[in-house]
Amino acid sequence: EDKVVQSPLSLVVHEGDTVTLNCSYEVTNFRSLLWYKQEKKAPTFLFMLTSSGIEKKSGRLSSILDKKELFSILNITATQTGDSAVYLCAPSWGYQKVTFGTGTKLQVIP
Amino acid sequence: EAQVTQNPRYLITVTGKKLTVTCSQNMNHEYMSWYRQDPGLGLRQIYYSMNVEVTDKGDVPEGYKVSRKEKRNFPLILESPSPNQTSLYFCASRRSQHGQGSHEQYFGPGTRLTVT
Repeated sequence: EDKVVQSPLSLVVHEGDTVTLNCSYEVTNFRSLLWYKQEKKAPTFLFMLTSSGIEKKSGRLSSILDKKELFSILNITATQTGDSAVYLCAPSWGYQKVTFGTGTKLQVIP
Repeated sequence: EAQVTQNPRYLITVTGKKLTVTCSQNMNHEYMSWYRQDPGLGLRQIYYSMNVEVTDKGDVPEGYKVSRKEKRNFPLILESPSPNQTSLYFCASRRSQHGQGSHEQYFGPGTRLTVT
């Protein structure tokens, strides 16, 4: 059975802190892993990772995938209150199915 | 503007009264999908469609139907809604071809459904 586990479930940090969010997965026919940010609305795309060891970066956010150990991390440096959201990871398998984790709820306080 | 639209955005209905939630995308995407999101359970896939007239079940298809008669539209049909279908529903679309960005899904704004 496909499984996606995100940790921690939630965390509260102060502005300026650095956070690391974890995603471990067990899916058959793995194709890629996507990270999404969800505020009080629809998820918005952050990264797509297909290869191990290649870091994707976008401003203060970065992510890396380890296909051997079946996990990915999302790093956010110098956090801001606008980073407060639920972060979802979603391994995709085949070209059809996407399994979402339950997410990590991040709260950044001033 | 490239977007996925859903209607209605909010709906309160009673058990057993058939309803349809519409979804439309203007990006000429082949792949479309429906998800429901519930507290503690995350996003779960209901149905997906690889192209016109091609649909398949996701992880939680019971109680739902879909159709894909046109590329841009993918309605979700609840023939006889029940209270356990109270949820937040998202429609999403993406290109089907493999390649850079091919798995990025664009989500609609969501439909909050309450079945009493």
